Amino acid sequence: DTGVSQDPRHKITKRGQNVTFRCDPISEHNRLYWYRQTLGQGPEFLTYFQNEAQLEKSRLLSDRFSAERPKGSFSTLEIQRTEQGDSAMYLCASSSTGGNQPQHFGDGTRLSIL
Amino acid sequence: AQSVAQPEDQVNVAEGNPLTVKCTYSVSGNPYLFWYVQYPNRGLQFLLKYITGDNLVKGSYGFEAEFNKSQTSFHLKKPSALVSDSALYFCAVSAVNTDKLIFGTGTRLQVFP
Repeated sequence: DTGVSQDPRHKITKRGQNVTFRCDPISEHNRLYWYRQTLGQGPEFLTYFQNEAQLEKSRLLSDRFSAERPKGSFSTLEIQRTEQGDSAMYLCASSSTGGNQPQHFGDGTRLSIL
Repeated sequence: AQSVAQPEDQVNVAEGNPLTVKCTYSVSGNPYLFWYVQYPNRGLQFLLKYITGDNLVKGSYGFEAEFNKSQTSFHLKKPSALVSDSALYFCAVSAVNTDKLIFGTGTRLQVFP
């Protein structure tokens, strides 16, 4: 069990640029989640996958955001035309199937928009 | 709608003393409840969960939590605090018919030597 891995750990970009983050889940986990955490707040749900199927998207996920998990393994989260308000920690988690299974989190990607 | 409340922004306790971090929840149906801990610049680490059964749940690092259905609470406890327990603690509920977690705003635990 090597844990959930996220890359990059930090991303600094100018407003209006596109960014892409990657998440590698725990290998035997078929569920993968994305959350966003801003300073002083708890994580907020963005979207989740079971295998390659995207099962739910939050209203927080505007049309500038897109997530994929093409082969049911790693996932990418892309933000187009970044805005100041996108500055946050983006957390990925994975779990086995079922709401009673704990989600295991990566260390996140911290995005800073200049 | 499901929600979680952590009424204390910060809890201060002396090392060796018992600690309690409070959490209340609102959810339709039976809740799945979780506690996570977050250290600076790190992701969340799972501590424990309540699904069903005994109201006292034991977890990692000597932590336990007490589920109280009538008070809709799930308070985190530890009999003897360590300085290394100082961190940010989050309570979460798994929403009905979905596996997304709904988190509280977090409680910062400060354990003084």
